[in-house]
Amino acid sequence: EVRLLESGGGLVQPGGSLRLSCTTSGFTFNVFAMSWVRQAPGRGLEWVSTIGGGDTYYADSVKGRFTISRDDSKSTVYLQMDILRAEDTARYYCVKDAVNGNGIYDSFDIWGLGTMVTVSS
Amino acid sequence: EIVLTQSPGTVSLSPGERATLSCGASQTIRSNFLAWYQQKPGQAPRLLIYGASSRASGIPDRFSGGGSGTTFTLTISSLEPEDFAVYYCLQYGSSPSSSMYSFGQGTKLEIK
Repeated sequence: EVRLLESGGGLVQPGGSLRLSCTTSGFTFNVFAMSWVRQAPGRGLEWVSTIGGGDTYYADSVKGRFTISRDDSKSTVYLQMDILRAEDTARYYCVKDAVNGNGIYDSFDIWGLGTMVTVSS
Repeated sequence: EIVLTQSPGTVSLSPGERATLSCGASQTIRSNFLAWYQQKPGQAPRLLIYGASSRASGIPDRFSGGGSGTTFTLTISSLEPEDFAVYYCLQYGSSPSSSMYSFGQGTKLEIK
């Protein structure tokens, strides 16, 4: 069974940093792109970042502040979040791409339960 | 950037009725790379439809997707109590960039 488990969320002051982790199991991690999607309380879904092969992509709202990375030996993807703002408050979901292959970016077929990030003083 | 607009924002129907949800795109979605997700309160979204019309694994056949280009629909042929939820569309047809993915704002399907 494919599993994604996020961790690292919490309460942080504006301007602070957090590092989210997503540990995975049940699939060949290194051949799939992985992404982060967030959802502010009571709001819709927003794509944040994707990593596939050696490439990384970011939404404009987080570019320059967030860094996505992966450790294929640990089947884990990370999201380093710096210079956090109140508007970054959301549940952050780790999501798996539906199709394997280098440079393939498809729909998201498996989602973790998410980890909550609250940015407040 | 492709902007997705879902309609209606909220729809009230009864079990057994047919539901039709719409997702409109600001420009043509390449290869109809459009997916639909269902989200229930306190849960992560679940993939229902990909490629505009293909059902994901384990999804009941009362769910169907259609459309092409800029206009897409999700139809639930006969609503079951567990189908009342929020539904989102996602486009994944854009070239890799800062706007490679975009979601619609969601349609809430509530019990009448």
